[in-house]
Amino acid sequence: LAKTTQPISMDSYEGQEVNITCSHNNIATNDYITWYQQFPSQGPRFIIQGYKTKVTNEVASLFIPADRKSSTLSLPRVSLSDTAVYYCLVGDKPPGTYKYIFGTGTRLKVLA
Amino acid sequence: EAQVTQNPRYLITVTGKKLTVTCSQNMNHEYMSWYRQDPGLGLRQIYYSMNVEVTDKGDVPEGYKVSRKEKRNFPLILESPSPNQTSLYFCASSSDREVIETQYFGPGTRLLVL
Repeated sequence: LAKTTQPISMDSYEGQEVNITCSHNNIATNDYITWYQQFPSQGPRFIIQGYKTKVTNEVASLFIPADRKSSTLSLPRVSLSDTAVYYCLVGDKPPGTYKYIFGTGTRLKVLA
Repeated sequence: EAQVTQNPRYLITVTGKKLTVTCSQNMNHEYMSWYRQDPGLGLRQIYYSMNVEVTDKGDVPEGYKVSRKEKRNFPLILESPSPNQTSLYFCASSSDREVIETQYFGPGTRLLVL
């Protein structure tokens, strides 16, 4: 099973770009990398997903090197409302199974 | 509105008293899952279901049961709750028919076992 490792916490200031790196050394060929955002007392919310290279959407970018053993979530120009816990998730789903492993997440605090 | 609902949202019970937390989704998703969240441990998968009558264990299944008799519902059953099952529980659903497979999470159920 692919396990992920992330920094426990990060602080940033409003307007800065934040990069959160996730390590997943045992990622399998079929695995996708997905990032979720969680606010206190709410369920996680999907941010972005990728398989290799770079993916960008309206809220974030995801950078994945060629060996896929790590990935970096990039949040441009963060605001106070981006204060949350961010989870890197590697979908461990060989055909027929959907067993997911979340890491402990990275607690991002955005300061004014 | 597409959503995952859980009931109850808050529950206080005593050791050994059987309880059920319901989960329902209105998106016709095949896959559903239960997670528990504890401070410092992140989200841990309890059970998951790939479709009706198909369930399997996640990382922490001990002390829990599930059933999937209908596609939309996936109840979590604690036959004999213990204090170490005090936690925040989330239900999630997803579909492999979507281009990007994302899990949609419910609002959570906070359980306290005395």
